[in-house]
Amino acid sequence: DSGVTQTPKHLITATGQRVTLRCSPRSGDLSVYWYQQSLDQGLQFLIQYYNGEERAKGNILERFSAQQFPDLHSELNLSSLELGDSALYFCASSVAAGNTIYFGEGSWLTVV
Amino acid sequence: DQQVKQNSPSLSVQEGRISILNCDYTNSMFDYFLWYKKYPAEGPTFLISISSIKDKNEDGRFTVFLNKSAKHLSLHIVPSQPGDSAVYFCAARGQTSNTGKLIFGQGTTLQVKP
Repeated sequence: DSGVTQTPKHLITATGQRVTLRCSPRSGDLSVYWYQQSLDQGLQFLIQYYNGEERAKGNILERFSAQQFPDLHSELNLSSLELGDSALYFCASSVAAGNTIYFGEGSWLTVV
Repeated sequence: DQQVKQNSPSLSVQEGRISILNCDYTNSMFDYFLWYKKYPAEGPTFLISISSIKDKNEDGRFTVFLNKSAKHLSLHIVPSQPGDSAVYFCAARGQTSNTGKLIFGQGTTLQVKP
């Protein structure tokens, strides 16, 4: 158990819909990262927040957005969903930038 | 542009033998490298790391070697055990990055046969 908690673990939704994935970082970690893993793909960096502020942005679609709240939990919002958005979405956290990051178990999103 | 590459999608070794997983990178600004292990239906688990100022780091059965001139690193597992069967991801972090974000390779599936 890494200490990073993600909900829901599995989610099936229809195209055009909107979903929210939630992440609670490890206790004491200020930095939260979101990664996407599609079928047979590596882990693609989406976005990072540090203590409530956006720190880095990767290949995140405009239909996707994220935020980190004052209690440090984070949410990834995915809207106007397409079939190609079906993937495993990982949240990870670290104490600060430069430390080892620890991953949650992921949220499986299936768009039908 | 794939900055971190794991060119072998899979590797099969016999229990007790050495497993060598390879990783190449293109960005000379990377200063920290990590290996993660991932079982099905679980998140990646940190395994071992190495700073660019070193060429070797060892932790029990796991050793990571870094060849900066070749922009190549490898993970050695000795002896390999069936429980090591998993997907192994190589990851790198940029020197000037103040974010800590990691760039991952595509992963190598290791199968250790009893």
